[in-house]
Amino acid sequence: AAGVIQSPRHLIKEKRETATLKCYPIPRHDTVYWYQQGPGQDPQFLISFYEKMQSDKGSIPDRFSAQQFSDYHSELNMSSLELGDSALYFCASSSRAGGETQYFGPGTRLLVL
Amino acid sequence: DAKTTQPPSMDCAEGRAANLPCNHSTISGNEYVYWYRQIHSQGPQYIIHGLKNNETNEMASLIITEDRKSSTLILPHATLRDTAVYYCIVETGYALNFGKGTSLLVTP
Repeated sequence: AAGVIQSPRHLIKEKRETATLKCYPIPRHDTVYWYQQGPGQDPQFLISFYEKMQSDKGSIPDRFSAQQFSDYHSELNMSSLELGDSALYFCASSSRAGGETQYFGPGTRLLVL
Repeated sequence: DAKTTQPPSMDCAEGRAANLPCNHSTISGNEYVYWYRQIHSQGPQYIIHGLKNNETNEMASLIITEDRKSSTLILPHATLRDTAVYYCIVETGYALNFGKGTSLLVTP
C-alpha cells in the first residue's frame, strides 16, 4: 500500500538559511499534520491542514509556515534557521472519511550548522 | 485531550506476550485510545485504536477497561523487532499528543 512520502530525507543547512520540507500524503487522504522531534525528545505537533485550510496549530515557531496545495501535498517552510531547529520532521496524513487514523512518513532529518 | 501515564520502560523475553499498560483516568466519552510505536528514529507506526470495546488486529490486541480509565496493549508473541517506544495517546481526531511512552526492550 502507498505510504506517506517525505522529501528530502536528509537536509543540512547553515544558520539563518531557509529550508523547505515536502510531504505527499497517502492517496485520497485530505488531512496533513506536521510534527517535530528534537534529539531525545518525543514528537511535538506543529500544524495541520484539512482540505487546504489550516485546521489546527501547535507549537510552531513564527519563523515557520506551511501550506497544503490543491493536490493535497504540503510544504513546511522554515526561515532564519537556528541550531535548535535541528530535528526530525514527520508528516502524517489521514482521511476524515476513513476514521482519522494518522499514518506517518519516514521523516526528514534536518541538521542546522 | 486526556493525559496518559505509561511506565517508562519494560522488558519482555522473545516469544512471550508483552503487556503494555496505560492509564487515562480523565478520558472523556468521545476520545479514542490510540497506540503507536516508534522504532529508533523511524516515523511513528500506527498499531491499533479503540473507543470502548476490545480490539484485535494482525499486530496486537487492545484491552480497554469498562470504565475506560486504563488500557493494555498486548503483543502476543514479541520478537526482537518489536523493540521500540510505545505511545498510548488519547485523542479526538486532531493532533496527536505524544507523551513519554514506554520503551520496550525484547530480549533473546
